[in-house]
Amino acid sequence: EAQVTQNPRYLITVTGKKLTVTCSQNMNHEYMSWYRQDPGLGLRQIYYSMNVEVTDKGDVPEGYKVSRKEKRNFPLILESPSPNQTSLYFCASMNSGANVLTFGAGSRLTVL
Amino acid sequence: AQSVAQPEDQVNVAEGNPLTVKCTYSVSGNPYLFWYVQYPNRGLQFLLKYITGDNLVKGSYGFEAEFNKSQTSFHLKKPSALVSDSALYFCAVSTPGGSQGNLIFGKGTKLSVKP
Repeated sequence: EAQVTQNPRYLITVTGKKLTVTCSQNMNHEYMSWYRQDPGLGLRQIYYSMNVEVTDKGDVPEGYKVSRKEKRNFPLILESPSPNQTSLYFCASMNSGANVLTFGAGSRLTVL
Repeated sequence: AQSVAQPEDQVNVAEGNPLTVKCTYSVSGNPYLFWYVQYPNRGLQFLLKYITGDNLVKGSYGFEAEFNKSQTSFHLKKPSALVSDSALYFCAVSTPGGSQGNLIFGKGTKLSVKP
């Protein structure tokens, strides 16, 4: 089944403890992106990647890092999480020129 | 700057009645417009898109949307609502020239369909 897989789906952590949210897609898509969803704010883009080794900042990149060493994987790294990063995170991918994003199921992160 | 507005936080409709979820946008240039739906505890799913051509776009689950350039709107419609349509709906816009995955999303409208 064509899909975007995120892990973990739920995580509670403490301020300052580094964490990584993994994202993997099995559709050979070039484009991948991370969003965060907060009540009343909709979805905001954190980082995106046009292809392997090509990444760029979205609208709210502060406090996050990404890497794209392989086409299928696009992990989101929080080096020193803070409570304002408590949110619902979505990874998405897209074939170039297709215009349609495929989203993962989401990762709910709570930072205490 | 590009922006998308969904003026209603929530829309309540009785089952069987028509529904409309509103969206207006502001972009420079010709827009690419999208609707996505989010069911509880799920990721967003693509419903429909307008890129060019016919202003009335038909999508999944019986939904349609009409692109109105003069009013800069792209309202989502369905002739007869189902209880199973209850979900969170997002309008999004991008423009040619930029990365088409770099969508600007509205804040979302919660649709509640009552039996």
